[in-house]
Formats: sequence, C-alpha cells, structure tokens
Amino acid sequence: GNSVTQMEGPVTLSEEAFLTINCTYTATGYPSLFWYVQYPGEGLQLLLKATKADDKGSNKGFEATYRKETTSFHLEKGSVQVSDSAVYFCALSPQAGTALIFGKGTTLSVSS
Amino acid sequence: GAVVSQHPSWVICKSGTSVKIECRSLDFQATTMFWYRQFPKQSLMLMATSNEGSKATYEQGVEKDKFLINHASLTLSTLTVTSAHPEDSSFYICSAREASGTSTDTQYFGPGTRLTVL
Repeated sequence: GNSVTQMEGPVTLSEEAFLTINCTYTATGYPSLFWYVQYPGEGLQLLLKATKADDKGSNKGFEATYRKETTSFHLEKGSVQVSDSAVYFCALSPQAGTALIFGKGTTLSVSS
Repeated sequence: GAVVSQHPSWVICKSGTSVKIECRSLDFQATTMFWYRQFPKQSLMLMATSNEGSKATYEQGVEKDKFLINHASLTLSTLTVTSAHPEDSSFYICSAREASGTSTDTQYFGPGTRLTVL
C-alpha cells in the first residue's frame, strides 16, 4: 500500500541553523510528493511539491528533491527563522486528483 | 491564491446531537472535496471523498450513516456528524481540488473545525 514516514519530532533549532526533515514513502506507480506546513491555529498550506523523479520543489528557502531510487523527499532549509516554527507534513498523491496520504507531521521549533 | 473556508471553526455539543460543518471554496470551483480527521499529534486521516452531484466515497472503517456528506454545488460540501458522541471529538479538515480542466494535484485546505462532544 501507499504510506509516508517522516522523522519524529519535535525538532528544536536555533535561528539560522540548517534544517533537514526526513521523509520516505512507499507507493505503487509514480506518485506526486508534497510538503505542507501548518502554522499554529491555521490550516495546512502547500509549501512545495514535485511530480516526478529528480524534480526539485522549492519555496520560501525550503527545498526538497524527489528521489525515486531512495524513495525519499527530504525537506531542507539552509537558514531557519523563528517564523518557520510550525508543523510540517510530508504527503503523497498516488494519482492525480486523489486524496493525499500524510505522514504524522514534524513539529519544528526555532528559537532566537 | 485559492482559499477554502470552514464553518464553524470550533463547536461544542452535547452527546446525541448532530453537528454540521461547512466547507467552501471561495474563489474557485471544486469538483472534488476531501474530508480528513486529525487527532492530537497525529496525521490527517482521510474520511471520505466528495464529488459534486454524486454520493461520497467513504474510507474503510468510516460509518457513512454517521458522517453524512453532501456536495451540492461546486463551492460547498457539508459534513454532518449525526448523534455525536465523545469519541467523535476531533479536528475535521476539508480540502478542495480545483476544477481547472487540467490534471493538477494541488489541493487547498480549510483551516479546520474543532469538534468537542460532551
């Protein structure tokens, strides 16, 4: 079946530190991969996505590369800010237009 | 960007009553809407897929007679929790997929509705 596994949190970093949140997936076929972010008290927002192998999604300094050989889609940011504190969800869509399958979410806390 | 709203944002009800949650796409038409449930510190679990003008498709283990879904228009889907019990207390989130005419995977999420059943 399809599933997403992401690293357990919470992740606590100091401002300007490097961030990596690991995400691996299991899927049949060629899924699309996503990172969503949920700020406190708000709904999920699409952070970035990649629809095929070797694609790199990027937004707001975050990036992730669709690695089919390692079935991974790790989220990275070179220098985090306090405002990046949120819960980050890795997700996949098995086929276009289908519901998303989410990982459990990783809480990121950035202190100044 | 595309916006999805949910109403109410939180609701407290007595056990045995029914609660209706609305999900609206504000600036786009959505042929498909999804309803998820999120428990504290847990991931989002898909409950059902709602297509405009047709019956919803429920995930295994989700009681369709308890969680009534209606998708009467391209901008509105409702979830009614019937005869709610404390174990139904959760965070309910909807998402909408834009009917853009192209094959797009982008889904826009509502802010969620916190249901507490006493």
